[in-house]
Amino acid sequence: EDKVVQSPLSLVVHEGDTVTLNCSYEVTNFRSLLWYKQEKKAPTFLFMLTSSGIEKKSGRLSSILDKKELFSILNITATQTGDSAVYLCAVTPSGTYKYIFGTGTRLKVLA
Amino acid sequence: NAGVTQTPKFQVLKTGQSMTLQCAQDMNHNSMYWYRQDPGMGLRLIYYSASEGTTDKGEVPNGYNVSRLNKREFSLRLESAAPSQTSVYFCASSEDGSSGNTIYFGEGSWLTVV
Repeated sequence: EDKVVQSPLSLVVHEGDTVTLNCSYEVTNFRSLLWYKQEKKAPTFLFMLTSSGIEKKSGRLSSILDKKELFSILNITATQTGDSAVYLCAVTPSGTYKYIFGTGTRLKVLA
Repeated sequence: NAGVTQTPKFQVLKTGQSMTLQCAQDMNHNSMYWYRQDPGMGLRLIYYSASEGTTDKGEVPNGYNVSRLNKREFSLRLESAAPSQTSVYFCASSEDGSSGNTIYFGEGSWLTVV
């Protein structure tokens, strides 16, 4: 059964800290991995990683994909209170239309 | 840019009542999805529509039906609501789900069944 596991489940840090969020997966025929940030409402897209794009960076956020070890990490440097959210990881197996989500990591950044 | 629009945003139902959640996207996407989100469970796929005219079951389809009315609209129906269907429902769309590209979400519909 295809599965996505995120860790930790929750995390509390102080402004300025660096955090690393983990996403491991077991899927048949991996195609892509996506990261989303969810504040109060809709998840919003952060990154997509595929075989041809295993590293992405945008400002203080970066992500890498290790296809051999079947995991991805999302790094946030110099955290701000606005980074407080649930971070979701999703994986899409090839040959399907499905996006399989992990349960998310709840990040709280204290001022 | 409306993106994905869901209605209603909030609804309280009594057990046994029926209702339909409406979803529309204006991005000319082919694939559309309905997810539910419960505490500690993440996003679970209820139904999806790969393209206009097709629908398929996801992980948790029991108690729900869907209709892909046209390319823009994908509705979710609860025929006889149960307390276990209390959840936040998200509609989503992607240009082509078979390519695994970005999926975009609506703002959610909070449903309480009493």
